[in-house]
Amino acid sequence: DSGVTQTPKHLITATGQRVTLRCSPRSGDLSVYWYQQSLDQGLQFLIHYYNGEERAKGNILERFSAQQFPDLHSELNLSSLELGDSALYFCASHREENSPLHFGNGTRLTVT
Amino acid sequence: AQSVTQLGSHVSVSEGALVLLRCNYSSSVPPYLFWYVQYPNQGLQLLLKYTSAATLVKGINGFEAEFKKSETSFHLTKPSAHMSDAAEYFCAVSLTGGTSYGKLTFGQGTILTVHP
Repeated sequence: DSGVTQTPKHLITATGQRVTLRCSPRSGDLSVYWYQQSLDQGLQFLIHYYNGEERAKGNILERFSAQQFPDLHSELNLSSLELGDSALYFCASHREENSPLHFGNGTRLTVT
Repeated sequence: AQSVTQLGSHVSVSEGALVLLRCNYSSSVPPYLFWYVQYPNQGLQLLLKYTSAATLVKGINGFEAEFKKSETSFHLTKPSAHMSDAAEYFCAVSLTGGTSYGKLTFGQGTILTVHP
């Protein structure tokens, strides 16, 4: 158990809908990262938050947004969903630079 | 910009045989390099990391990797495969310094199959 909790584990929704994925980092970890794993694109970095502030963006679509709350949990919001958004979305956290990333078990999103 | 190439999307070995998973990277600055393992329906688990200290890095479960700057490689090895090593393995790179440590660029992954 990595200590990073992601909910829900599975999500099935229709095209055009909006969903929210939630991540609770390990206790004390200030940094949260979101990654997308799909068959087409592999594992891709989406976005990084540190103590509530956005620090870096990767290949994140404009239809996607994220935030980190004062209690350090993070949410990834995906809107106007398309079939191609079906993927496994991972959250990872760590305490400080040069410390290992700890990944959650992911949320599997299926868009039908 | 950085990139990672894993040679071979599937590797099959017999139990007890040497495991060799290949990874080449490209980076404009000295990189941090990582190997992660992913078991079915689970997240990624860190096997080992290179952060500019010793070039031969030992990780968990008997795995090790050697950083070779001249070859831009970071191949993963294990002397004797075990059935429990069957999983997907990912090589990843991030840039040194700043807040880029956790911003990983992953290879496409190598599925390791271990035969009895």
